[in-house]
Amino acid sequence: EVQLVQSGAEVKKPGESLKISCKASGYSFTSYWIAWVRQMPGKGLEWMGMIYPGGSGARYSPSFQGQVTISADKSISTAYLQWSSLKASDTAMYYCVLDDYGGSLPPNMIDFWGQGSLVTVSS
Amino acid sequence: QSVLTQPPSASGTPGQRVTISCSGSNSNIGSNYVYWYQQLPGTAPKLLIYRNNQRPSGVPDRFSGSKSGTSASLAISGLRSEDEADYYCEAWDDTLSGRVFGGGTKLTVL
Repeated sequence: EVQLVQSGAEVKKPGESLKISCKASGYSFTSYWIAWVRQMPGKGLEWMGMIYPGGSGARYSPSFQGQVTISADKSISTAYLQWSSLKASDTAMYYCVLDDYGGSLPPNMIDFWGQGSLVTVSS
Repeated sequence: QSVLTQPPSASGTPGQRVTISCSGSNSNIGSNYVYWYQQLPGTAPKLLIYRNNQRPSGVPDRFSGSKSGTSASLAISGLRSEDEADYYCEAWDDTLSGRVFGGGTKLTVL
């Protein structure tokens, strides 16, 4: 069974660094794109970017380019989202999700999300 | 504001049919697939419609999607109280080289 399991909630101070994870199982990790989606408190969904663990580099929304880094470790089937210097405005829930880029996902893999990682940045 | 435009709210009574619109442009809806998500409070989004009008396994056929030109719609027939949630449309945008979401529509079942 396909699963995306994210790391737990984090409480950080402004200026600190952070790396959250999304561990995939139940499918070929290197065959499909994984995306990250942000949801700030009480707000809508925002697509941040995605990575193809099979070889392409990450692709970013212009709104998040330079603000975060998306990476993946094929050896442990895990995708990451990281910040080098957090801001209070990074406080949000972050989801990883299999991305249907180019209609690439088979129907039985079309709706798999991580459970979300809540990041709170406060002094 | 969001690249895709949705009405902020919609409502209906049980049993009714409601539609939620999503307006975009040639660079997103006009040339790419549209997806629709339902989000209940405190939960991850759930995919209702993919590739314009396909339903994932397990999604009731009360939910349907359509696309025409640079606009798309989600229709919910036989409205039920458990349909009260936030609904989002999404599409790839060729100009931005990334996905874009609508701002979301809060559906109230009266």
